[in-house]
Amino acid sequence: GQQVMQIPQYQHVQEGEDFTTYCNSSTTLSNIQWYKQRPGGHPVFLIQLVKSGEVKKQKRLTFQFGEAKKNSSLHITATQTTDVGTYFCADSTGGTSYGKLTFGQGTILTVHP
Amino acid sequence: NAGVTQTPKFRVLKTGQSMTLLCAQDMNHEYMYWYRQDPGMGLRLIHYSVGEGTTAKGEVPDGYNVSRLKKQNFLLGLESAAPSQTSVYFCASMGAGNEQFFGPGTRLTVL
Repeated sequence: GQQVMQIPQYQHVQEGEDFTTYCNSSTTLSNIQWYKQRPGGHPVFLIQLVKSGEVKKQKRLTFQFGEAKKNSSLHITATQTTDVGTYFCADSTGGTSYGKLTFGQGTILTVHP
Repeated sequence: NAGVTQTPKFRVLKTGQSMTLLCAQDMNHEYMYWYRQDPGMGLRLIHYSVGEGTTAKGEVPDGYNVSRLKKQNFLLGLESAAPSQTSVYFCASMGAGNEQFFGPGTRLTVL
């Protein structure tokens, strides 16, 4: 079935440094969603990308969808301690049928003050 | 609105015991999902439901059963728990924009 690979698995940064996580697939992705999970918490929806080459911004977060719709990235500018958590990408399996999501393994971000 | 709620929050079972996890949502969503989360493996879909009275298998359905007797509730059952089912279980429902809203999770340990 559809597999979504996410790298890196872990990232440690100093507060103020930038951070990027990448999501890759060998097949064309339908829509990409990004979620954030704080330590001990539950995943929280951040954004959905639908179009090839799409770029969306949320304050210090920039989300991109590759031109071939086989990869996506999340970039955080000038990290803060509040950015700590695990970031997941997820593909809508089989298009938007029933909203089923295939998640990447996640990138665990640690921010040192 | 409470959003998505799950009970219980924690549970310890012995091998072979059974239990039911309850998920409830007050957002009138049609679609609901059960995931399990294990270290380094992200979230994997167990079962899902596209409406009251309907359920379907996800990626890892073995050892679990579900029921959706009421639109707002989605139950996940373990008939005979095994140590491999030790995990954190999340329920979710899907909003109008295809985003999923997750419950706070149930941490299950099977000894």
